Order: sequence, then C-alpha cells, then structure tokens
Amino acid sequence: AQRVTQPEKLLSVFKGAPVELKCNYSYSGSPELFWYVQYSRQRLQLLLRHISRESIKGFTADLNKGETSFHLKKPFAQEEDSAMYYCAPGEYSSASKIIFGSGTRLSIRP
Amino acid sequence: EAGVTQFPSHSVIEKGQTVTLRCDPISGHDNLYWYRRVMGKEIKFLLHFVKESKQDESGMPNNRFLAERTGGTYSTLKVQPAELEDSGVYFCASSQADRWRSTTQYFGPGTRLTVL
Repeated sequence: AQRVTQPEKLLSVFKGAPVELKCNYSYSGSPELFWYVQYSRQRLQLLLRHISRESIKGFTADLNKGETSFHLKKPFAQEEDSAMYYCAPGEYSSASKIIFGSGTRLSIRP
Repeated sequence: EAGVTQFPSHSVIEKGQTVTLRCDPISGHDNLYWYRRVMGKEIKFLLHFVKESKQDESGMPNNRFLAERTGGTYSTLKVQPAELEDSGVYFCASSQADRWRSTTQYFGPGTRLTVL
C-alpha cells in the first residue's frame, strides 16, 4: 500500500536556525516525491519535486531510496517559512493521484 | 492566467440536505482531481477525471457522493444526503496531460463544508 509518514505534527524553530521536515514513504512502483506547502490564507501549492533537483525558497529535498526518505531542509529559517508542509508521493510520469502525508506545521519564532 | 477556482468558498448545511460543490480547472487542463480533508485527518484523494471520463474513483467514500464533469470542463461534486462526517475542506486540482513527464497538480482554494 502507498503510505507516507510525517512524524512531526508541529515543528518550531528560531529564525536563522536550520530546518528539517521529515518524510518517509512506502510506495510500490516508481514514485515521484513532492513537497506541497500551504501558507496562511493561501491555497495549497507545489514547493518542489525531487525530479527537478532544484532549490525553491532555499529549501531542498533529497530522495534517499535506501531509507525511503524525502526530508525537506533549509539551512536558515525565515519567518515567512511558517506554513503547513505536506510530503506527497505520486506516480512518476503519470497524472495519477497524489498521496498526502498528515502534514507538519512549521512555526518560525522571531 | 486564472488558477483553479472553486465555488462556494464555504457552505453550511444541515444533516440530510444536499450540497453541490463546483470546480473550474485551469483552461486546457484535461486532468481534474477532487480531494478532501476532514477534521484532523490527512488530505485524501477522492477521484480523478480525464476530460469527462472518470479515470479513478477509488477514493469516493460512498454512494452519497456523485461527481460529474460534463463536457470535460468544470466539475461538480454533489453530496446527497450530507452527514456530519462529511464536514471538511474539499479541494479541487487540475493538471495538463503529458505522458512524457510528471505533471504538476494546481490546487484551488478549497470549499469548506460544514454539516450541522
């Protein structure tokens, strides 16, 4: 069964501190991993996906197939990073459904 | 370019009543998805349209839920009769059809449904 685990419901860090949002997945087939973010009063939006290997707003995520993890990292947190973050695998090269994790609320303290 | 739109933004109904949610995808997007997040739980997939056809409806909870996409443009999701456990936020998303690369899903703002 497809499953994604985000162990932390809430993560609170000080501004300027490093951030790591954990994500582990269990997925048969060829998953593509996404991180979605929902800022306050905004719609759910794609933050990044592993296939792009890009850094968005200072965030990066490396797919570790051995550990089946896709942790989201940022070296220096900013206040505007406060939001709800969802790890979400989908089927690579397919327009199929996305499986969402339970989400982690990131709170950046000034 | 307009994003995915959903109507209404909020609906409050009584148990046993009927509610119809509407989603307008991004123009030209063949794929349309419905998801929902009920209180305290994950965002769950409901179903997926490709144009007007239901590609995957494995997430539909029961036969009180009916989704349509006549003409392959906008979609409606009807809940009849509504139950208390249907309360939550219903999201719609759309994506382009491209068989050669993964497709990004663009989400609407959601409809918050409250069943009293």
